[in-house]
Amino acid sequence: GQNIDQPTEMTATEGAIVQINCTYQTSGFNGLFWYQQHAGEAPTFLSYNVLDGLEEKGRFSSFLSRSKGYSYLLLKELQMKDSASYLCAVRDIRDTGFQKLVFGTGTRLLVSP
Amino acid sequence: EAGVTQFPSHSVIEKGQTVTLRCDPISGHDNLYWYRRVMGKEIKFLLHFVKESKQDESGMPNNRFLAERTGGTYSTLKVQPAELEDSGVYFCASSERGRNTIYFGEGSWLTVV
Repeated sequence: GQNIDQPTEMTATEGAIVQINCTYQTSGFNGLFWYQQHAGEAPTFLSYNVLDGLEEKGRFSSFLSRSKGYSYLLLKELQMKDSASYLCAVRDIRDTGFQKLVFGTGTRLLVSP
Repeated sequence: EAGVTQFPSHSVIEKGQTVTLRCDPISGHDNLYWYRRVMGKEIKFLLHFVKESKQDESGMPNNRFLAERTGGTYSTLKVQPAELEDSGVYFCASSERGRNTIYFGEGSWLTVV
């Protein structure tokens, strides 16, 4: 089966650091994505991890541990505009060899002044 | 460069009617995907085109849904006849062959009343 878990909501203060966790169980793992989605807008690609370790891109970093089925997205120096939903998605290779993204329900982050 | 565009952005139809959603992927992207998010649930895969060919339509809910991608450019997703449970946001996404980043459109919000 496939299961992606992430917290429903988080709150943080402007300027702070927040870590959004994601755990997953899939039958055929081929990479993990993080997307940011503001209300009514398209999910925007943030990061992609396929190997264990930390990928840093500006204020955002993403970590992956394949053995633990675990990832996190780290947001530093939070800004008000970072208030959004953050979607964890695993690329799952099906038995057929075709791939699809399996999404979590998303974590709604509220950044307060 | 234009992103993934979808039309209409919002649609309200009565149960039993037909709706056709359109997606224009990013130019040159062979891969085109349809996903759906119903209220309170996670985004779920519907189907995947490579050019004009359906590679994987395992996520299509039932035979009331028909997706086409004639000529390998834009795609349409038709729901006929629409039921109340079809309400949700239908996302289109595209990617280049061999590349990891998948780009999403803003979605078409469908409400069936």
